[in-house]
Amino acid sequence: RKEVEQDPGPFNVPEGATVAFNCTYSNSASQSFFWYRQDCRKEPKLLMSVYSSGNEDGRFTAQLNRASQYISLLIRDSKLSDSATYLCVVIGTSGTYKYIFGTGTRLKVLA
Amino acid sequence: EAGVAQSPRYKIIEKRQSVAFWCNPISGHATLYWYQQILGQGPKLLIQFQNNGVVDDSQLPKDRFSAERLKGVDSTLKIQPAKLEDSAVYLCASSSDGRTGAYGYTFGSGTRLTVV
Repeated sequence: RKEVEQDPGPFNVPEGATVAFNCTYSNSASQSFFWYRQDCRKEPKLLMSVYSSGNEDGRFTAQLNRASQYISLLIRDSKLSDSATYLCVVIGTSGTYKYIFGTGTRLKVLA
Repeated sequence: EAGVAQSPRYKIIEKRQSVAFWCNPISGHATLYWYQQILGQGPKLLIQFQNNGVVDDSQLPKDRFSAERLKGVDSTLKIQPAKLEDSAVYLCASSSDGRTGAYGYTFGSGTRLTVV
């Protein structure tokens, strides 16, 4: 089983739609979680951290479910500019604080 | 503040040749990372430095890859000799919060390597 798993997509959604991605992780001792956004041929950029209590930033909501070992990202009122790959990141605890990236989920928002 | 600087932006080499990439992290960031991102995959950590010491190089193919950060600031990653499967984007990142990266990383724009 991969340490971090994501559905690669693509998720094709119309403008204004709500879309949600999940990311599962295998190490129950993982401590920190993030969502990064990566545009085509660009570097990943931090979108938001994922806290135990969940967090919201405008149209984006991230949640953590430790019992089921997954994190989620919800995007409301999708914009064309939201089209990108969304990378899930888990900080492992196998001796070093290693960032473990998922393969990413591609989102295409259609006009 | 200036971001993470990387060069070159693109590189095309023949297999068995050597190549080197350079990275200058954000000023004051003690932790520096090199990642390899193959098309369609997430970034994979190659090596992590804390100042000029190696924290984790468990996934670095040491028979052909080497990296150094001699003065605890900028860093170079070398591949010698290159193989076709080394074609990827090599991303450098830095963080300000020591070893944990709990505040997130800042990535450079990467070096896109094509081995032919």
